[in-house]
Amino acid sequence: NAGVTQTPKFQVLKTGQSMTLQCAQDMNHNSMYWYRQDPGMGLRLIYYSASEGTTDKGEVPNGYNVSRLNKREFSLRLESAAPSQTSVYFCASSDGVGPYEQYFGPGTRLTVT
Amino acid sequence: QKEVEQNSGPLSVPEGAIASLNCTYSDRVSQSFFWYRQYSGKSPELIMSIYSNGDKEDGRFTAQLNKASQYVSLLIRDSQPSDSATYLCAVNLPPGNTPLVFGKGTRLSVIA
Repeated sequence: NAGVTQTPKFQVLKTGQSMTLQCAQDMNHNSMYWYRQDPGMGLRLIYYSASEGTTDKGEVPNGYNVSRLNKREFSLRLESAAPSQTSVYFCASSDGVGPYEQYFGPGTRLTVT
Repeated sequence: QKEVEQNSGPLSVPEGAIASLNCTYSDRVSQSFFWYRQYSGKSPELIMSIYSNGDKEDGRFTAQLNKASQYVSLLIRDSQPSDSATYLCAVNLPPGNTPLVFGKGTRLSVIA
């Protein structure tokens, strides 16, 4: 089992460019999450999907969109990247049944210049 | 606002000592509690979970939960330099299938 995988590992974008971060899990989990992590700010939830077919905003959704493509895959899109979106992005999943522990992917380090 | 508070550290302990990491949470109805370890440049890794009052031991790690006082702690016995990392406390709130609320983490440094 690979667990939670993310692509790409690193990305450099220019301001205004768009890109999609991919996440997949092979644990048959129902719920998936996107976080960003910045120095001193901790993990901040961007969007989550409690189950296939649903998505909800988290703490910092502005500038992002998500798609729950199927039960395995949950993508995060930046339509017009800004320097403020420079961060490390983590995808996570949980079974959604209980006790709700989350498992994280390896992360994507994104730099917007 | 649901909050999870941790001392940011750094907490420095000598090798072989007990490291004690603390976390308080604001919501009395919190149900499940987790500790994650995050090495620099890596993703958070789940190391302990606890759901009822008292202690739960796993190897050198002991999680302690006191719901009346709304705190959860992690003890690391015989600390090793390889334990040097940031430790994140996370709390699950009812109704259950909602995202965990994370603290900002405590940085632990174990000095050889």
